[in-house]
Amino acid sequence: EAQVTQNPRYLITVTGKKLTVTCSQNMNHEYMSWYRQDPGLGLRQIYYSMNVEVTDKGDVPEGYKVSRKEKRNFPLILESPSPNQTSLYFCASREVGTSGKNEQFFGPGTRLTVL
Amino acid sequence: QKEVEQDPGPLSVPEGAIVSLNCTYSNSAFQYFMWYRQYSRKGPELLMYTYSSGNKEDGRFTAQVDKSSKYISLFIRDSQPSDSATYLCAMRGTGGGNKLTFGTGTQLKVEL
Repeated sequence: EAQVTQNPRYLITVTGKKLTVTCSQNMNHEYMSWYRQDPGLGLRQIYYSMNVEVTDKGDVPEGYKVSRKEKRNFPLILESPSPNQTSLYFCASREVGTSGKNEQFFGPGTRLTVL
Repeated sequence: QKEVEQDPGPLSVPEGAIVSLNCTYSNSAFQYFMWYRQYSRKGPELLMYTYSSGNKEDGRFTAQVDKSSKYISLFIRDSQPSDSATYLCAMRGTGGGNKLTFGTGTQLKVEL
């Protein structure tokens, strides 16, 4: 089954404790992206990657890091989480150079709470 | 001002009603327009896609894009309780790393 998986699905942590949210896709997509979703603000892009070892900032990259060492994986790293990073996070992937039904395919989400 | 504006609702309709959901936008570079459906505690799933202006129909769903007015719509005919979800409009241009700009979503509830 074609899918994007994220782990963990739920996480409660404390300020300053480094954490990683993993994202993996089995569709051999070149493009992967991270979004956060907040009430009244919608989905905002954090970082994206056009392919292995190619990453770039989205609209709200402060406080986050990413890496793309393998095509299928795109982890999101919070080196020193703060309460304003409490949010619902989504990973997404798509093929590059296509559109329509191959628009971004989203994972199930990770709900993060930073105390 | 946000690039994409969407009425958050909530919108409550009886089963069988025709639902109209709308977004306005300000960036004339947007060329690709999408509607995503998001059920509670789930990720968004692509519902409809339209390139440039025009209409597209898929079963009970019709997407319309009017680029001259910077206005897009999603119509749901014969709405069902299973259509109860949040509907997100999204759009992008041809560059910028395929970045999607989303509306904040409209919460729809279809009542029996």
